[in-house]
Amino acid sequence: NAGVTQTPKFQVLKTGQSMTLQCAQDMNHEYMSWYRQDPGMGLRLIHYSVGAGITDQGEVPNGYNVSRSTTEDFPLRLLSAAPSQTSVYFCASRNWSDREFFGPGTRLTVL
Amino acid sequence: GENVEQHPSTLSVQEGDSAVIKCTYSDSASNYFPWYKQELGKRPQLIIDIRSNVGEKKDQRIAVTLNKTAKHFSLHITETQPEDSAVYFCAASPGNEKLTFGTGTRLTIIP
Repeated sequence: NAGVTQTPKFQVLKTGQSMTLQCAQDMNHEYMSWYRQDPGMGLRLIHYSVGAGITDQGEVPNGYNVSRSTTEDFPLRLLSAAPSQTSVYFCASRNWSDREFFGPGTRLTVL
Repeated sequence: GENVEQHPSTLSVQEGDSAVIKCTYSDSASNYFPWYKQELGKRPQLIIDIRSNVGEKKDQRIAVTLNKTAKHFSLHITETQPEDSAVYFCAASPGNEKLTFGTGTRLTIIP
């Protein structure tokens, strides 16, 4: 099993550009989520999904969209990048009441 | 929603001594409490977790205790080693819902 994979590992954007962070898992987990982690801070939930076709907002959803067309994939879209979105983004997945597996992260810089 | 507070934010311990990190939670419905370790530039990794039907769990040098009445849980690391230096996060979840993370504790082991 590859576990949770994320692409790209690094990305530099200009203000106003859009892009999609990819996330995939091969563990047949129903629950997937996106977090951002700013320097010296904890993990803040952006969006999450409890199954294909179902998504919901987390703590900091503004400026981000998600979709869940399959169990395996959960892409995160930045609509119009802003410097405040410079962060490390982690995708995670789990089964109910079980441990959460994190992907390797995407380091995003918005200039 | 759930609110998790974590203390201290930084902790320095002499090698061989014990380290204790404490977390409190607000939602009495929370019943799953994992602890994650994050090394510099890496993804968070689960090190131990506890469910509300037990009060303590041990795994070699690591232990977690849970006090449901007081709504707090703690991570104990004994005989600390240099490789224990990392950032540690606690989290809480009411089972079939999203995890809420604490803000993290940076643990430094002094040789």
